[in-house]
Amino acid sequence: AQSVTQPDIHITVSEGASLELRCNYSYGATPYLFWYVQSPGQGLQLLLKYFSGDTLVQGIKGFEAEFKRSQSSFNLRKPSVHWSDAAEYFCAVGTYGGATNKLIFGTGTLLAVQP
Amino acid sequence: GAGVSQSPRYKVAKRGQDVALRCDPISGHVSLFWYQQALGQGPEFLTYFQNEAQLDKSGLPSDRFFAERPEGSVSTLKIQRTQQEDSAVYLCASSSPGTASYGYTFGSGTRLTVV
Repeated sequence: AQSVTQPDIHITVSEGASLELRCNYSYGATPYLFWYVQSPGQGLQLLLKYFSGDTLVQGIKGFEAEFKRSQSSFNLRKPSVHWSDAAEYFCAVGTYGGATNKLIFGTGTLLAVQP
Repeated sequence: GAGVSQSPRYKVAKRGQDVALRCDPISGHVSLFWYQQALGQGPEFLTYFQNEAQLDKSGLPSDRFFAERPEGSVSTLKIQRTQQEDSAVYLCASSSPGTASYGYTFGSGTRLTVV
């Protein structure tokens, strides 16, 4: 069965420091992978997506992620974190085909940014 | 509209009460999804519509949950005889044909509290 694991429940980084959020997936075929961000009381905003091609994808707000098939990973990175990046981040795998069309989310990583 | 609109924003229901949650997708978006997000968890798939057809309802937790989209635009998620375990944020998302793999646009959600 498809699944997504985000091993880090909570991460704190200093403003200006680099960031890496981990995501591992389990999926039988070539995955469609996504990172979403959720600020308190808000819906989910798409940061970036991967479904083919270059394994390093660029997203909004200076984020990037790298798809590594051999490690079943899709880690999110940012070279320099801003205080406004404090939020919850969700990795997801998309399943499509026939009547199926849904995202399977991880449990999220809550990012705190300290001055 | 410009985004996915959900109403009400907050709903408090007494246990046993019926509730109805509304979703207005982006105009022209064929696909519509409902997700349930419990506190501290990632969103979980409930159901999927393509136009007015409900193609997948495998995520609905019980027969107390019912969703409809009679004219292929606005959708309503109805929960009958609410229980405390139904307390969660209910997220609606939509996507246009052929772009499901590009990720959905989510609404801000309805926070349901059952007391």
